[in-house]
Amino acid sequence: AQRVTQPEKLLSVFKGAPVELKCNYSYSGSPELFWYVQYSRQRLQLLLRHISRESIKGFTADLNKGETSFHLKKPFAQEEDSAMYYCAFYNNAGNMLTFGGGTRLMVKP
Amino acid sequence: DTEVTQTPKHLVMGMTNKKSLKCEQHMGHRAMYWYKQKAKKPPELMFVYSYEKLSINESVPSRFSPECPNSSLLNLHLHALQPEDSALYLCASSQDPVSSYEQYFGPGTRLTVT
Repeated sequence: AQRVTQPEKLLSVFKGAPVELKCNYSYSGSPELFWYVQYSRQRLQLLLRHISRESIKGFTADLNKGETSFHLKKPFAQEEDSAMYYCAFYNNAGNMLTFGGGTRLMVKP
Repeated sequence: DTEVTQTPKHLVMGMTNKKSLKCEQHMGHRAMYWYKQKAKKPPELMFVYSYEKLSINESVPSRFSPECPNSSLLNLHLHALQPEDSALYLCASSQDPVSSYEQYFGPGTRLTVT
């Protein structure tokens, strides 16, 4: 079965430090993966998708098929990046999103 | 209007009550979703409606009954719930079923079953 795993429930860094939120997937085909974010008191929203290879709010994520990973990275964390981040797998056979367990990022001043 | 709205924001109900959650979007989206989210857990898919028809039911107990009266509105009828059903219930929509990777979420209804 397709699955995404986020091994860290909590990641705490200082402002200006690099950030890497880990996501690993299990799927034999070509996965479609996404990162969703939920800031405090805000609704869950799409942050970025692997096929676009874009940078949103300084975050990037590269699909590594060899390591079956889709880690989210930012070179210099900001306090406003503090939020809950979910890696999500898109099952195009069932048109469904499956979320990983989530990682809470805390950026300290 | 580019938001998904949900009412009520909070709901407290007894195990014998009947209540309904409401979700609305006016973005012309043709797929709508109900999720259940427990504290410190990811959202779990409950139901999917595609073009106003129920397309996915993730083995949800019958005490949860979804309804899609029209393309803008999604309801979740609740009856004889258990305390373990207390959670945040999220509604989401996407342009169409094929675009379900990009979902727009509502703020949720926080349900407490006493």
